[in-house]
Amino acid sequence: KAGVTQTPRYLIKTRGQQVTLSCSPISGHRSVSWYQQTPGQGLQFLFEYFSETQRNKGNFPGRFSGRQFSNSRSEMNVSTLELGDSALYLCASSFATPKETQYFGPGTRLLVL
Amino acid sequence: AQSVTQPDIHITVSEGASLELRCNYSYGATPYLFWYVQSPGQGLQLLLKYFSGDTLVQGIKGFEAEFKRSQSSFNLRKPSVHWSDAAEYFCAVGLNTGTASKLTFGTGTRLQVTL
Repeated sequence: KAGVTQTPRYLIKTRGQQVTLSCSPISGHRSVSWYQQTPGQGLQFLFEYFSETQRNKGNFPGRFSGRQFSNSRSEMNVSTLELGDSALYLCASSFATPKETQYFGPGTRLLVL
Repeated sequence: AQSVTQPDIHITVSEGASLELRCNYSYGATPYLFWYVQSPGQGLQLLLKYFSGDTLVQGIKGFEAEFKRSQSSFNLRKPSVHWSDAAEYFCAVGLNTGTASKLTFGTGTRLQVTL
């Protein structure tokens, strides 16, 4: 079974631009979560989508948004990029409930110049 | 709110030596607990998890962890470390509200293995 895939793997943007990252979960998984990883703040939860609905949200500004499609694929968008948004963005998928293991993708590394 | 503490930022062990990585959590109910490993430039790989039942959990790559409710700890152990175990290790606690999936991670422990 294929794992979680994320595209693109690397991205360079400039301040003020916006970016969209994509995540394809493991087949059959309906929950997709996004995390931001930085050296200073570590791994932080962004949001979780389940059946096309945002089910949980972390403490990030409204510039960070996401959505999930009917096939469970998810996208996250960051508008008006800031230098501090440079990070590894990780996507994780699971079947449905918190008891289920979250399987992580390789991440998208975003550099904002 | 839940939180996770990994008190050791960096640990160095010799190949063949035993390993214990510490993890303490704060959570109002019985938590779901996980250990993940991350190699440089990679995503996170699950080593093991605890939901309920037997407090000693076996994982992949020869790792095990013990849940101690009285100490709010979930320490990771391996009896004999291999050079390929060098990586960053994250302890995480998951919500068990039954309504949403969210992991809160510790700050990680970077393991260096000397030959």
